[in-house]
Amino acid sequence: AQTVTQSQPEMSVQEAETVTLSCTYDTSESDYYLFWYKQPPSRQMILVIRQEAYKQQNATENRFSVNFQKAAKSFSLKISDSQLGDAAMYFCAYRTPYSGGGADGLTFGKGTHLIIQP
Amino acid sequence: NAGVTQTPKFQVLKTGQSMTLQCAQDMNHEYMSWYRQDPGMGLRLIHYSVGAGITDQGEVPNGYNVSRSTTEDFPLRLLSAAPSQTSVYFCASSYSGAGSPLHFGNGTRLTVT
Repeated sequence: AQTVTQSQPEMSVQEAETVTLSCTYDTSESDYYLFWYKQPPSRQMILVIRQEAYKQQNATENRFSVNFQKAAKSFSLKISDSQLGDAAMYFCAYRTPYSGGGADGLTFGKGTHLIIQP
Repeated sequence: NAGVTQTPKFQVLKTGQSMTLQCAQDMNHEYMSWYRQDPGMGLRLIHYSVGAGITDQGEVPNGYNVSRSTTEDFPLRLLSAAPSQTSVYFCASSYSGAGSPLHFGNGTRLTVT
């Protein structure tokens, strides 16, 4: 079974600075997708960024970018110029087209609580 | 375009009661799923459906039933609520394919006393 590990339960960063959230995963598949979701206090789950495993280029969405290291099975999220609105829980998630008889859905990490210091 | 709509937002049940959490989407998504979120656990997959008439179990299916009679609706039924089912429940949908991002509803906070 695939597992997703977020080793930082909580991170704190000063407003306007850069922060990196870590995520590692375990899989035997070569084709899969990785996602970062943001959950603010409103409880809503918001897609931040998506990465396809067969693409070597790291995904970027405005101030959000990833460092995808396929061999190391690492998928970290970098937030540049942190803003107060970035304060939230961040979840790393994995999904593969090949469930191998297992369930078809996202496997989530336990999340990182990001605090933005004004 | 409402996206994914979950009702109710909050619910309190007594042990042994049954109830249905409603989920509807208006994006014509084939794939729908239910997750539960517990403190420190992330989100875990309960049941999912890849199309009308097709459902399957996720990681934590015990105590829950689902059905998918239409593309739009995917209700989650608790047959006999237990305190261990106290959680926040999310419904999510997407187009077919593992690369399609999930669209989430706003969640239902369920407390079982």
